[in-house]
Amino acid sequence: DIQMTQSPSSLSASVGDRVTITCRASQSISRSLNWYQQKPGKAPNLLIYAASSLQSGVPSRFGGSGSGTDFTLTISSLQPEDFATYFCQQSYSTPSFGQGTKVEIK
Amino acid sequence: QVQLQESGPGLVKPSGTLSLTCTVSGGSISSNDWWSWVRQPLGKGLEWIGEMYHSGSSNYNPPLKSRVSISVDKSKNQFSLKVSSVTAADTAVYYCAKKSWELGVFDYWGQGTLVTVSS
Repeated sequence: DIQMTQSPSSLSASVGDRVTITCRASQSISRSLNWYQQKPGKAPNLLIYAASSLQSGVPSRFGGSGSGTDFTLTISSLQPEDFATYFCQQSYSTPSFGQGTKVEIK
Repeated sequence: QVQLQESGPGLVKPSGTLSLTCTVSGGSISSNDWWSWVRQPLGKGLEWIGEMYHSGSSNYNPPLKSRVSISVDKSKNQFSLKVSSVTAADTAVYYCAKKSWELGVFDYWGQGTLVTVSS
């Protein structure tokens, strides 16, 4: 099975900051990488699919890049509603998730 | 707009069987999608449990495969999860979700239900 490793596990940032979260796969997964946002007490919400495609309704400040084993989620200008936990998920084989990155207010 | 809603007991005794049902509305369980279960221990990450297609094809997470069963009831537009021989390690929020056949993404989720394993 494919292991997904995210870094950092948590970060502190201010409104307006540019934030970058990375996700590494234990083997090549082409571009089969998706990103989700989860707020406390809520289900995850799909942000990015196929490494860089923005899900309908997701603000354009969210962006994704990468291929193979290394991927990045970028929030270009952090907004108050973006403080949440972010998970990557590979869809190359049986699904697996990263351990999550919690974005906190600085 | 597809909506999913989990239902079932919130408390299960150790060594018992956890049973949950997910009711799908706003869409058909016979669509070209996989119907999935994902769980999340409190304060921890997401673990995919397994999935079923309406034809009966299924896939399970290998570490859980021997204890897990997923079934589909097309007449009720529902799918169900059973986890046998539960321990405290199975305590988690359980989500049902629709996984897109084409993209492999979980694009619709239920709100989640907390299941506690305790005597």
